[in-house]
Amino acid sequence: EDKVVQSPLSLVVHEGDTVTLNCSYEVTNFRSLLWYKQEKKAPTFLFMLTSSGIEKKSGRLSSILDKKELSSILNITATQTGDSAIYLCAVGRGGSYIPTFGRGTSLIVHP
Amino acid sequence: EAGVAQSPRYKIIEKRQSVAFWCNPISGHATLYWYQQILGQGPKLLIQFQNNGVVDDSQLPKDRFSAERLKGVDSTLKIQPAKLEDSAVYLCASTHRDLYNEQFFGPGTRLTVL
Repeated sequence: EDKVVQSPLSLVVHEGDTVTLNCSYEVTNFRSLLWYKQEKKAPTFLFMLTSSGIEKKSGRLSSILDKKELSSILNITATQTGDSAIYLCAVGRGGSYIPTFGRGTSLIVHP
Repeated sequence: EAGVAQSPRYKIIEKRQSVAFWCNPISGHATLYWYQQILGQGPKLLIQFQNNGVVDDSQLPKDRFSAERLKGVDSTLKIQPAKLEDSAVYLCASTHRDLYNEQFFGPGTRLTVL
């Protein structure tokens, strides 16, 4: 059975802090790993990672995949209150991309 | 570009009743997913369609859940009869045929079973 584990489950920080969220997986026929941000609504796409060691960046957010360690990290620098959300990691397998999501990391950023 | 549409947004029913959810994906998106997200957990895939064919429904409780996408566009998910543990947000997502990894999610339907 495919497995995606995220840690920590929750995190409380102050504005300006840097956070690192972790995602580890056990998936047959790995295809890609995706990060999503979920506020009080549907998840929105952040990054898709398919190759090890290549960092993806978008503003203060960055992510990298380590296929040897079967894991990925999502970094957020200089956090803002608007970063408060649940961050979901999903891993896709197979030719038709069948996704498995982790439980998510709940991030709360205090002013 | 219009997003993924879902209705209703909220539904409250008694256990053993039936309920149906509707999803209209982004125009041109061949792949459609239904997820169940229980509070505090990540989305769990229920069923995946490619056009009007089922790709994966291994986690769909087929004794009470059914889904269809007859014309390969919009889709309905039905629960009959509902149980208390079905209380969750039901999310629909779609992907473009060539960008199958990036899913676009609808706003979800929050179901409460009393």
